Amino acid sequence: QKEVEQNSGPLSVPEGAIASLNCTYSDRGSQSFFWYRQYSGKSPELIMFIYSNGDKEDGRFTAQLNKASQYVSLLIRDSQPSDSATYLCAVTSRGTGRRALTFGSGTRLQVQP
Amino acid sequence: GAGVSQSPSNKVTEKGKDVELRCDPISGHTALYWYRQSLGQGLEFLIYFQGNSAPDKSGLPSDRFSAERTGGSVSTLTIQRTQQEDSAVYLCASSLVQEELFFGEGSRLTVL
Repeated sequence: QKEVEQNSGPLSVPEGAIASLNCTYSDRGSQSFFWYRQYSGKSPELIMFIYSNGDKEDGRFTAQLNKASQYVSLLIRDSQPSDSATYLCAVTSRGTGRRALTFGSGTRLQVQP
Repeated sequence: GAGVSQSPSNKVTEKGKDVELRCDPISGHTALYWYRQSLGQGLEFLIYFQGNSAPDKSGLPSDRFSAERTGGSVSTLTIQRTQQEDSAVYLCASSLVQEELFFGEGSRLTVL
């Protein structure tokens, strides 16, 4: 089992719709959760982080964390073609003794104009 | 500098040669990370430096890989006797607040 799992996609949504990206993790001791966006040929950039159960909103982005179910999600409201990218979920894996982030393989999002 | 700087941006080498990849982190960032990303894949953790602590080398795939960080700043990732499966983009990141990483543009390594 991978430590961090994401559906590779592509997830295709029409412009203006809500895009929902999901991520599950295996280490119940994980404490910090991140979403990075990676445009094709570019490096990842941080868009959201969440530490506590519940929702965290930042503009059109909402991160949702459910530690009991070990999943974290990212909602993008009013999706724009410029949101088309690969979204990487990342968690700390302190249970393994490693303090660096463990990344999922990413979900490719396509927003259709 | 303003961001994480990596060099070279592209490196083509022959199988069996050694390569060195350099990372200059954001000034003042105490943590430095190396990841690699193969085509269409996620990021694979390689090594993590935090201040003066012993580095976390748990992600290095073999003893052909090594990294050092001099003076708490610049880091060099060395791959000895390169193999074709080493071909990937090698990403360096640094952070001040732990886990909020800022990535460089990466070094694309191609082993022929």
